[in-house]
Amino acid sequence: LAKTTQPISMDSYEGQEVNITCSHNNIATNDYITWYQQFPSQGPRFIIQGYKTKVTNEVASLFIPADRKSSTLSLPRVSLSDTAVYYCLVGGYSGAGSYQLTFGKGTKLSVIP
Amino acid sequence: DTGVSQNPRHKITKRGQNVTFRCDPISEHNRLYWYRQTLGQGPEFLTYFQNEAQLEKSRLLSDRFSAERPKGSFSTLEIQRTEQGDSAMYLCASSPGAGTEAFFGQGTRLTVV
Repeated sequence: LAKTTQPISMDSYEGQEVNITCSHNNIATNDYITWYQQFPSQGPRFIIQGYKTKVTNEVASLFIPADRKSSTLSLPRVSLSDTAVYYCLVGGYSGAGSYQLTFGKGTKLSVIP
Repeated sequence: DTGVSQNPRHKITKRGQNVTFRCDPISEHNRLYWYRQTLGQGPEFLTYFQNEAQLEKSRLLSDRFSAERPKGSFSTLEIQRTEQGDSAMYLCASSPGAGTEAFFGQGTRLTVV
């Protein structure tokens, strides 16, 4: 399973765009890149998933370069409610055929008024 | 609410007691995961079910832990002879297939005193 590296914490002012970069140098060919958001005392919540190039949904964009060894989650115009921990996951099939989601420590984003 | 439901939300138990947690996944999801999360860490994979079959167990899952998913519907996670080190948030997630978005419940917070 591919290991991910992301910053431990980030601060941003309200209204700014936030970019969180994740490194995954040993990503496998059939691995997808998925980002989750977690608020205190709640389970993680899916934000976005991609395989290559760029993916955009109503809450975020995900940029993946051609070599797929890193990815960047972009949150446009953050608000105080975006304060949370953001996890980058690279999912792969284990020997048992499961799609095991392996979480790292995540990036704690603090949005400042 | 048709999300993943976990019960109880909180459990305080004395060391040495047995505890059981329940997870009701989204009804049409055939994949179910259990994770454990301690303060400041990302969720750690414990075990995975596809329908009623338990296909994978983490090395974190000692002999004191057992999980079941009878009839491929709800799942239970039992911890026997609890230890203080078992204190954590236990998270359940379900998904409709491999490589797709996983939906997490709000977790059961276990405190062993």
